Amino acid sequence: AQSVTQLDSQVPVFEEAPVELRCNYSSSVSVYLFWYVQYPNQGLQLLLKYLSGSTLVKGINGFEAEFNKSQTSFHLRKPSVHISDTAEYFCAVSDNFGNEKLTFGTGTRLTIIP
Amino acid sequence: KAGVTQTPRYLIKTRGQQVTLSCSPISGHRSVSWYQQTPGQGLQFLFEYFSETQRNKGNFPGRFSGRQFSNSRSEMNVSTLELGDSALYLCASSLESSDIKYFGPGTRLTVT
Repeated sequence: AQSVTQLDSQVPVFEEAPVELRCNYSSSVSVYLFWYVQYPNQGLQLLLKYLSGSTLVKGINGFEAEFNKSQTSFHLRKPSVHISDTAEYFCAVSDNFGNEKLTFGTGTRLTIIP
Repeated sequence: KAGVTQTPRYLIKTRGQQVTLSCSPISGHRSVSWYQQTPGQGLQFLFEYFSETQRNKGNFPGRFSGRQFSNSRSEMNVSTLELGDSALYLCASSLESSDIKYFGPGTRLTVT
């Protein structure tokens, strides 16, 4: 079975400051990793994904994440945040053997302080 | 290309009633998954359909069911509604079962 842990339920950050949202996973098999963002009253939008290859992946809106197999982590980073980044961020994992199911973390609410 | 659409966007039902939610996937996508999002339990997988067949099912009671039509559109049905079924129900589509999933805006169900 897989699981995802997002240790921080809320992260306040000043505008134009850097941010890191933490995600750790556990799985007995190789995995695919994802970060999704949810704006108020909306569905989930894919930010970025790790399937294979380079461990540093770049996504939309200036976000990037690094896959660290030894630490079973997939932390999300952005060097300079904007007010528009205020949203909830979800880390998710699926195995890479054709399992259709995504297992999500509990989410991190990112609040940008002007 | 149009995204995933879900109807209705908002729904209010009474305990004991049943409800049907609809999802139209991105054109060409054959896999449709359903997720329930609540403040207490977070995002939980309900089930996944591919080419009209249920391929995977989450840990939900039999009151939750779904189906997929030949045009890949999907519906989920919840019978004998309970207060705890109040949630945002999200539908996601993908080309194949293991491909990247694209989510719709969700249907917010309130059970009173």
